[in-house]
Amino acid sequence: AQSVAQPEDQVNVAEGNPLTVKCTYSVSGNPYLFWYVQYPNRGLQFLLKYITGDNLVKGSYGFEAEFNKSQTSFHLKKPSALVSDSALYFCAVRGLSGGYNKLIFGAGTRLAVHP
Amino acid sequence: DTEVTQTPKHLVMGMTNKKSLKCEQHMGHRAMYWYKQKAKKPPELMFVYSYEKLSINESVPSRFSPECPNSSLLNLHLHALQPEDSALYLCASSRGEVRSGETQYFGPGTRLLVL
Repeated sequence: AQSVAQPEDQVNVAEGNPLTVKCTYSVSGNPYLFWYVQYPNRGLQFLLKYITGDNLVKGSYGFEAEFNKSQTSFHLKKPSALVSDSALYFCAVRGLSGGYNKLIFGAGTRLAVHP
Repeated sequence: DTEVTQTPKHLVMGMTNKKSLKCEQHMGHRAMYWYKQKAKKPPELMFVYSYEKLSINESVPSRFSPECPNSSLLNLHLHALQPEDSALYLCASSRGEVRSGETQYFGPGTRLLVL
């Protein structure tokens, strides 16, 4: 089965410290991977994606993610966390389900950045 | 401009009402999506329109009826809903289909409460 796992329900980080939000995937073929962020009572905002090319992908708001094929991971990182980064983060992968392609989302990780 | 707009922002309806949710994008995107999202859960795909034709229906109950009047507009008609249908309904659009790795851009959502 094709799936995405976000092993941490919540990640707590002090402001100014680096943050990592973990994502692992299981798909057949080449993975297309995405990160989205959702603030309270808002829609999902696109952060970055990996399709092909450099394993380190840079995205919006200073976020980056590293694609690791051998570990089937696509962890989201930021060198210095801001309180305003506190939100719900979703990893997603293009997967085949029911005979067609769709985005398969992880369960989400709540990031809490403390002053 | 990566804006997808949705109206209304909030909707309260009784189980016998008929209402519609609207979604609009002016990015020239040819794929549009409806998702349902329960609190603190990932979005669940409901419908996909590609080039104004319904291409995916994720076995959604018939009390939800999608419509794509033109390439910029997507509606979701609601009739005889149940309280468990209360959720955030998200619209998204993308330049092309998921299989090509195109990014989906989400609207802010309509928060629906069914009494």
